[in-house]
Amino acid sequence: DTAVSQTPKYLVTQMGNDKSIKCEQNLGHDTMYWYKQDSKKFLKIMFSYNNKELIINETVPNRFSPKSPDKAHLNLHINSLELGDSAVYFCASSQDSSGGGNTIYFGEGSWLTVV
Amino acid sequence: EDQVTQSPEALRLQEGESSSLNCSYTVSGLRGLFWYRQDPGKGPEFLFTLYSAGEEKEKERLKATLTKKESFLHITAPKPEDSATYLCAVQGRSGGSNYKLTFGKGTLLTVNP
Repeated sequence: DTAVSQTPKYLVTQMGNDKSIKCEQNLGHDTMYWYKQDSKKFLKIMFSYNNKELIINETVPNRFSPKSPDKAHLNLHINSLELGDSAVYFCASSQDSSGGGNTIYFGEGSWLTVV
Repeated sequence: EDQVTQSPEALRLQEGESSSLNCSYTVSGLRGLFWYRQDPGKGPEFLFTLYSAGEEKEKERLKATLTKKESFLHITAPKPEDSATYLCAVQGRSGGSNYKLTFGKGTLLTVNP
């Protein structure tokens, strides 16, 4: 069973469109994340939710709106797509991070290409 | 702000040729240092977590070590299947960094048969 699953895996769309990427984790974790990996393979956090509450928003344009209907799901909606949004988007999850460092588990990624 | 620098950017080895990857970091109170492996077209796969200087962890041909400023991933007698990008990340204690990893740019390892 896939621990962190995200759909779609590949998405090609035109500039100006609105699109969503869905993510689900079956690990029972409290915290979920969206990370972006750019063309230079640099992986950077976008958002973090803990028990459906937004914890981190790393100065991401407000065209990006995460939504967490429950703690097992964290979806990413992107409005008015731009060429620069082309990247790989990774969903991830971890157990409650209070205390020591906690391990973050990643999904397989969603390849977004804006044309 | 937490920072992670990995070197070299790319490393090419012959099968059986041992070597080390470096991860230098600055962080406001280290909660954990993480090593991940990423294969092309895949998500990062967790390898190790190190929590304090002096700690070491091993898994098959890989051994991770940690000092107060850097971590090394030692690869002993690598095989072609060890070829991947190895990512280092830190999790700090300041502000909201409890909940996020700060990654380096990775080292692309190629092991030739």
